[in-house]
Formats: sequence, structure tokens, C-alpha cells
Amino acid sequence: KAGVTQTPRYLIKTRGQQVTLSCSPISGHRSVSWYQQTPGQGLQFLFEYFSETQRNKGNFPGRFSGRQFSNSRSEMNVSTLELGDSALYLCASSFLQGSEQYFGPGTRLTVT
Amino acid sequence: AQSVTQPDIHITVSEGASLELRCNYSYGATPYLFWYVQSPGQGLQLLLKYFSGDTLVQGIKGFEAEFKRSQSSFNLRKPSVHWSDAAEYFCAHHGSSNTGKLIFGQGTTLQVKP
Repeated sequence: KAGVTQTPRYLIKTRGQQVTLSCSPISGHRSVSWYQQTPGQGLQFLFEYFSETQRNKGNFPGRFSGRQFSNSRSEMNVSTLELGDSALYLCASSFLQGSEQYFGPGTRLTVT
Repeated sequence: AQSVTQPDIHITVSEGASLELRCNYSYGATPYLFWYVQSPGQGLQLLLKYFSGDTLVQGIKGFEAEFKRSQSSFNLRKPSVHWSDAAEYFCAHHGSSNTGKLIFGQGTTLQVKP
């Protein structure tokens, strides 16, 4: 069974631009969660989607948004990029909310 | 507030030696606990999980962890470390079966000496 895939793997953007990251969960998994990983703050929860609905949201500004499609694929969007948004963005999928999460390889976003 | 603490930021062990990575959580009820490993530039790989039942859980790659409610701990162990175990290890939990919000510790970097 294929794992969680994330595209693109690497991204360089300029301050003020916006970016969209994509995540395809493991087949059959209906829950997708997003995390931001930085050296200073570690791994922080962004949001969780289940059955196309946002179920939980972390403590991030409204510039961070996401959505989930009917096939469980998910996207996250960051608008008006800031230098501090440079991070590894990880997507994880699970069969149900609360079950173990399997992570993708991440998207490395660099904001210049 | 829920939190996870990994007291050791960096640990160095010799190849073949035993390993124990510490994890303490702060949560009133029984948490759902996980250990993940991350190699440089990679995503996180699930090593093992604890939801309920037997407090000693076995995982992949020869790892095990023991849940101790009285100490609010979920320490990861391996009897004999291999050079390929060098990586960063994260302990995490979420508080119920209907949330996917994982709370992570700050991670422990494991270095293995030949």
C-alpha cells in the first residue's frame, strides 16, 4: 500500500506570496492532519480534516488554511508569506480520528 | 494544558549498548501515546503506540516502550543499538479517540558511536 505523498517536496517563495501544498493520504484513510516543524518551535499542529470538515485547528494565524476533498486528499494554503513561515510542513493520515498517524516526507518551504 | 517532555535533547551511546529515551506527559486521563523516529530530511516513522491494555508495547526495529501511569512516563527502550538507529526521536500523545491533534515533545537526537 502506498504511503502518504506530499507535493512538492521543496519550494522557494518570496515574502508576501502565497503557497499551496498538497497531501495524498494512504488509501482508505479519511483523516488528514498537518504539522509545521521548525528548529525553534519543534512540531506544531496546524489542523485536522476528517470527511472534508476541519475538526481541529492549532494556534496559527488565519493566513494558514486548508481543505479536504471527497477523495480525502488535502491541501493547505499559506497566504502573505513571512520569513518565519520557512519550515518543514508535514502531512499525516489516519484511518479514523484518534488512530495512529502515518506521516509523509514533508514539503520544505523556504521564504526569502 | 497537555504537554510532552523529553528531558534529554541529545544522547550518545555506543553501538551494541542499550538505550532508553525518556518521555513524560501531562494529561489527566489515560493518553494515547506514540513514539516516532525521524531521519534527516525525512518525515516521521511510527515506531510504536499505546492506547490501552498491556503497558509494555513492542514496536518495529526492536524497540519497546513501557507506559507507567504513576510516573506519567512512556520511555522508549532498545536492548542493543545499531548505527542505523542514529536519528531524532519524538514522543507524542493525543488526549482522546476523537482528535487527531498530536502534541509532540521537543525530540531527542540519538548519536551512535562505533
